Amino acid sequence: AQSVTQLGSHVSVSEGALVLLRCNYSSSVPPYLFWYVQYPNQGLQLLLKYTSAATLVKGINGFEAEFKKSETSFHLTKPSAHMSDAAEYFCAVSARGRRALTFGSGTRLQVQP
Amino acid sequence: ETGVTQSPTHLIKTRGQQVTLRCSSQSGHNTVSWYQQALGQGPQFIFQYYREEENGRGNFPPRFSGLQFPNYSSELNVNALELDDSALYLCASSLDTSGGETGELFFGEGSRLTVL
Repeated sequence: AQSVTQLGSHVSVSEGALVLLRCNYSSSVPPYLFWYVQYPNQGLQLLLKYTSAATLVKGINGFEAEFKKSETSFHLTKPSAHMSDAAEYFCAVSARGRRALTFGSGTRLQVQP
Repeated sequence: ETGVTQSPTHLIKTRGQQVTLRCSSQSGHNTVSWYQQALGQGPQFIFQYYREEENGRGNFPPRFSGLQFPNYSSELNVNALELDDSALYLCASSLDTSGGETGELFFGEGSRLTVL
């Protein structure tokens, strides 16, 4: 079974500051890991995914995440926040070869001017 | 190339009624997954359809059922609605292989169901 814990339901940063959204996972088998973003009244959009290649994964809009097996973590970072980054972010896990994603409860990112 | 479209976008039902939600998958995709997103929560996997057959199911009761059509569009049916069924229902399409690897999920904007 897989599970995801996102630490912090709300994160607020200033424009230009570092963004760090935390995700820890639990999986009995080697996982695939994902970060999705959800803007108001929209569906989910894939930011990036880890599928066992490089542990540092680069995604869209300047986001990246690092898979750390020893810490069972997959934190999302961006060096400099933009106002347009304000949204809900979801970390998700799936077992390799399985179809269902297990999502965390989400982190709402606010960007202050 | 059209994306994933869902209908209706909003609807209100009363307890005990039945509802059908519809999803048109992205062009070229053969798999549809349905997720339930309660307010303030992450999406939860309901089930997936691959080539018109249910191909995985989450922890949802049998009153949640679905169909996939030859053009890969899909329906989600919920019978005997309960108040806790109020949620955003998300459809996602993907191009999956027969070997079981799931391609990237492309989500629609969802159908928001309110049960009174």
